[in-house]
Amino acid sequence: GENVEQHPSTLSVQEGDSAVIKCTYSDSASNYFPWYKQELGKRPQLIIDIRSNVGEKKDQRIAVTLNKTAKHFSLHITETQPEDSAVYFCAASKTNQAGTALIFGKGTTLSVSS
Amino acid sequence: GAGVSQSPRYKVAKRGQDVALRCDPISGHVSLFWYQQALGQGPEFLTYFQNEAQLDKSGLPSDRFFAERPEGSVSTLKIQRTQQEDSAVYLCASSPWTAYNEQFFGPGTRLTVL
Repeated sequence: GENVEQHPSTLSVQEGDSAVIKCTYSDSASNYFPWYKQELGKRPQLIIDIRSNVGEKKDQRIAVTLNKTAKHFSLHITETQPEDSAVYFCAASKTNQAGTALIFGKGTTLSVSS
Repeated sequence: GAGVSQSPRYKVAKRGQDVALRCDPISGHVSLFWYQQALGQGPEFLTYFQNEAQLDKSGLPSDRFFAERPEGSVSTLKIQRTQQEDSAVYLCASSPWTAYNEQFFGPGTRLTVL
């Protein structure tokens, strides 16, 4: 089955710096890669996703890149702000049919200090 | 519009008790997922429903776990004879019938088994 590895497990940056979180996946058939942000005690919230037919996607300060050959994808946050502090999860799934489960990484705790 | 809701938000059970956790998905969403999130970990898939049909229950950890969605909307996850290792946050997610797998999560139920 699919396995998703996520690094680093913790990341501390200064406000205004960039943050990068990396994930690798094992199943070459996976074709959908979302990123979720989870604040303490709250629900996971989708912040950006990418499909396998695209190499990069950007939404304001957040971008995701995908390398299908190497089977890895990354989240880039620029100009970090204290409110970006949270746990970030990457995930992978196969969407050849609706209802495929997401396989999550173990998460990265991002701390942005002002 | 209303998002995914779950109840109760917190549940404390004595070891050996049965518990029932409820999920109200977004209206009209065909797909419904249950995940288990242990402390400091990413969500792990438990089971999936397409309308009222349980199409995948490969993630249920034991036969003490049972889920149903009899009318294709509200779902209940039942855990019989709870054990301490069942302590976790149980997340429900729903998804519309689309080719890609965007899932919307509820706030979760935090189960503590004493």
